[in-house]
This record gives sequence, structure tokens and C-alpha cells, in this order.
Amino acid sequence: DVKVTQSSRYLVKRTGEKVFLECVQDMDHENMFWYRQDPGLGLRLIYFSYDVKMKEKGDIPEGYSVSREKKERFSLILESASTNQTSMYLCASSLSPGNTEAFFGQGTRLTVV
Amino acid sequence: KNEVEQSPQNLTAQEGEFITINCSYSVGISALHWLQQHPGGGIVSLFMLSSGKKKHGRLIATINIQEKHSSLHITASHPRDSAVYICAVTNFNKFYFGSGTKLNVKP
Repeated sequence: DVKVTQSSRYLVKRTGEKVFLECVQDMDHENMFWYRQDPGLGLRLIYFSYDVKMKEKGDIPEGYSVSREKKERFSLILESASTNQTSMYLCASSLSPGNTEAFFGQGTRLTVV
Repeated sequence: KNEVEQSPQNLTAQEGEFITINCSYSVGISALHWLQQHPGGGIVSLFMLSSGKKKHGRLIATINIQEKHSSLHITASHPRDSAVYICAVTNFNKFYFGSGTKLNVKP
């Protein structure tokens, strides 16, 4: 059974902390994505990666960075967490650009206090 | 500007009813996806289609490429169908998401 696994379901961090959200996929997918989901705004793309060490900014990259050192792992980093980064974060992967199915992780609900 | 629009935003139905959720999009696409999100967060892909119609159990998805419109139908709805249904389209390597339809099926 294919799987995208996010390291935490729930996370509480303090303002100013550096936060790492980890995502691992076991499908040998090229593409990996990080989204945040907020009520009324839907899913918004933060960053995506189409290969190891490659990354592209999405629609809302400010305050975030990413790392993809290995094909199966895509990390989202909040350099200095702020309360407006309290959100649901979802990781996804897909095999190749365009006409391929996307698989999502279970989500990480991050609260910054 | 939303590339993907869904309607309705909220939907309440009685168990057994036939349900339709609509999706319109404004960009060129390589595929359209219907996703399901249960409370708790995880998203599951229901359908991916680029033409015609697909059926899986009680769920049917259709797409009209010329009209840039898709529908998701649920026949004989059940309380376990209660979830948020999200329409998404892919354009090259990018996904565009609708804001979702929250469905509540009452017993």
C-alpha cells in the first residue's frame, strides 16, 4: 500500500522557534509538495520539489524553506515560527508532472503559541 | 482569482439521497482530481480523470472538457460519506485546488 507519512499529527511550538516538518514517501515519486490549509482559503502551495536538491517556490513561500536531500524525504522548515503560521500542513507526492495521481499525507496540525 | 470554483460550499443531506457537487475551472488542464478529506486531516484521492466518466462503488465523476466543468455524484448517500470533497486540477506540474465542499449526511 502506497504511503506518504508525515512525522507528526499534532505539534505545538513557541513563537521564534525553528520548526521542522518531515515527509517521507515510499513510492519513488519524483515530485513532492508542501501545502498549508486554512479555513476558507483551501490548500495553498508553499514549495514543491521535482527532484533531489531541486525546489521551486509555490504561492506562499515567505517564512518557509525546504530541503530535499533524498528522493523519499521532503522537509519543510519554519525558520522562526510565528502565530500566523498556525495551520494544517499537508505533504503530497506524485510520480511525474501532469497527468498523475497525487498521494497525500495525514497532515500536521501546527499551533504556534 | 480562483482557478477552481466549487459549489456548494456546504451541503446537508439525508441518508439515501443522491448528491451532486460541482466544479468549474478556468485553466488548461492535464487532469482533474476529486479528493476526500475526513475530519482529522488526511486526504484521499477518489478519482483522476481527463475525459468522460469514472465510477467507483457509489461514486461517479464526470468531466466536460469543452465546458471546463466536472461533477461528483454520490448515490444512496450514507453518514460515512460525510467529509470535505475537494476538486483539483493539474496544469503541467502544478495543482490548483477548489476550496472544498463540506458534506454532512444525516442518518
